[in-house]
Amino acid sequence: SQTIHQWPATLVQPVGSPLSLECTVEGTSNPNLYWYRQAAGRGLQLLFYSVGIGQISSEVPQNLSASRPQDRQFILSSKKLLLSDSGFYLCAWKRGDNSPLHFGNGTRLTVT
Amino acid sequence: AQSVAQPEDQVNVAEGNPLTVKCTYSVSGNPYLFWYVQYPNRGLQFLLKYITGDNLVKGSYGFEAEFNKSQTSFHLKKPSALVSDSALYFCAVGMTTDSWGKLQFGAGTQVVVTP
Repeated sequence: SQTIHQWPATLVQPVGSPLSLECTVEGTSNPNLYWYRQAAGRGLQLLFYSVGIGQISSEVPQNLSASRPQDRQFILSSKKLLLSDSGFYLCAWKRGDNSPLHFGNGTRLTVT
Repeated sequence: AQSVAQPEDQVNVAEGNPLTVKCTYSVSGNPYLFWYVQYPNRGLQFLLKYITGDNLVKGSYGFEAEFNKSQTSFHLKKPSALVSDSALYFCAVGMTTDSWGKLQFGAGTQVVVTP
């Protein structure tokens, strides 16, 4: 069966520090991968998605970037965090059809 | 472009009573629709989906949803709510023609089931 791992679960970082959140998927190949941010415990905002190695699409301009160095690895990064980057970050994967998104357990990021 | 509306910020229901969480959508083509549930500090869990076929879709944990094309709605229902159903529920819509598989999520509805 397929599983998705996301770490760390929580992270507290000072303003201006770098960020690296990692997500890996097991049990499938060539998944579509997604990074979402959930602010204030409610709405989800799609940040990035990828349909293959090295292929990244950004939904909104911001202080973040994403990379996909391997087929089942998706990384969310920032060179310098802002206070507004605080939130709950969710990684998700799906097959390339109308199948459901499967989410990781998320990373709670607090920028101080 | 697609959009999803969940008109209720919170739904309160007594245990054992029927539960309904409303969702309406707007798309320019044929949609596919999902319901997800989220418990505190966790990722979203898939409940059910509608792609084509029978308008009544049955999912996990006794939940079901009815697709109504004329009303562009996809309401989530459970005949008898449990306290453990208390959580945040999200409706999501995608386009069958979108090969990227992007979904648009509603703002979420908090369900509170009281004993």
